[in-house]
Amino acid sequence: KQEVTQIPAALSVPEGENLVLNCSFTDSAIYNLQWFRQDPGKGLTSLLLIQSSQREQTSGRLNASLDKSSGRSTLYIAASQPGDSATYLCAACNQAGTALIFGKGTTLSVSS
Amino acid sequence: GAVVSQHPSRVICKSGTSVKIECRSLDFQATTMFWYRQFPKKSLMLMATSNEGSKATYEQGVEKDKFLINHASLTLSTLTVTSAHPEDSSFYICSATEVGTNNQPQHFGDGTRLSIL
Repeated sequence: KQEVTQIPAALSVPEGENLVLNCSFTDSAIYNLQWFRQDPGKGLTSLLLIQSSQREQTSGRLNASLDKSSGRSTLYIAASQPGDSATYLCAACNQAGTALIFGKGTTLSVSS
Repeated sequence: GAVVSQHPSRVICKSGTSVKIECRSLDFQATTMFWYRQFPKKSLMLMATSNEGSKATYEQGVEKDKFLINHASLTLSTLTVTSAHPEDSSFYICSATEVGTNNQPQHFGDGTRLSIL
């Protein structure tokens, strides 16, 4: 059974810092790995999707990497801003592409 | 594009009430819709997967008679929490995938906060 773990659970940084959020998964047989942002009381916004055959994806200040063999993914946020404050969720998609297994998230707070 | 609308955003009801939550794909046809439940400080847990015109597939431990799902059209799925009790209070989120995309990516609604008194 796939299990997804995110470390740390919470992170506070000053504005401008570069930071890394970690995600690990127990079953490397995945279809893709996805990163989402969730603001308090809101739904999910898709940030990056890495196919199982890819190593990384970039969007603006965000870069996500995937190492299937070690069961790890990282989300790198460059030059953090207060507007980046949110909970970041990673989710591993099963090989059939039918189910997303989510981690508990990392709650990020960026102070100005 | 690919907007999913979920309604209502917040519900507060007395115990024993049945509550219906709607999930609509506004600008695309959705082959599949997913219903998730999220407890505070916990991860999203998939409850069920619904395909238009067929019965929903429920995850282990989810009572299908408690959580009724109807996916009557390619743009609408509903989740009805029957005879809701305080332990059903949670954040419910739906997602939808477009026809012809092999279920990727999932587009999420804004969620419904259900509070049962």
